[in-house]
Amino acid sequence: QKEVEQDPGPLSVPEGAIVSLNCTYSNSAFQYFMWYRQYSRKGPELLMYTYSSGNKEDGRFTAQVDKSSKYISLFIRDSQPSDSATYLCAMINTGGFKTIFGAGTRLFVKA
Amino acid sequence: EAGVVQSPRYKIIEKKQPVAFWCNPISGHNTLYWYRQNLGQGPELLIRYENEEAVDDSQLPKDRFSAERLKGVDSTLKIQPAELGDSAVYLCASSLGGRAGDSDTQYFGPGTRLTVL
Repeated sequence: QKEVEQDPGPLSVPEGAIVSLNCTYSNSAFQYFMWYRQYSRKGPELLMYTYSSGNKEDGRFTAQVDKSSKYISLFIRDSQPSDSATYLCAMINTGGFKTIFGAGTRLFVKA
Repeated sequence: EAGVVQSPRYKIIEKKQPVAFWCNPISGHNTLYWYRQNLGQGPELLIRYENEEAVDDSQLPKDRFSAERLKGVDSTLKIQPAELGDSAVYLCASSLGGRAGDSDTQYFGPGTRLTVL
């Protein structure tokens, strides 16, 4: 079993929809949770970063962490065609430096 | 500010040939990472440097892979000899360094797409 599980999709939604992306994990030592966006033939770029449980909002993006369920989510409101990309969840454990990535979910937002 | 620079962007070689990738991190970033990303997968860490020191190379296949970071700035990753299974995107990332969390925010380069025939 992988430490981080993420549905690869693809997920296709119409423009303006609310998108929900999710990851589950097995290592209870994970404390830092991140979402990266990766456009085709580009490197990942950090979108959201959260520490431990809770919510964090940045513009149209909201990240949620539920440590009791070992479940993290990224919500995108008013999705745009420019949001079409692969979204990778990532985690780091306490005191560690090694980032574990999910496999990524491919998102397509149709105009 | 320039981001992480990698070259070449694409490389096609025949199996058993050597290949090298180069990375120039963001100025002032002490930590440098090399990742391998297979198709449809997330990046997997190969090696992490703190300045000139390789502090985590546990996932680096040392029989054929080598890396160096002379003077704590640029880095090269080499494969010799390459195998068919090495086809992937090789990503370099850098961060300010220190502790996990905010200060470990990684900035990725565009990657080198390697195809081994």
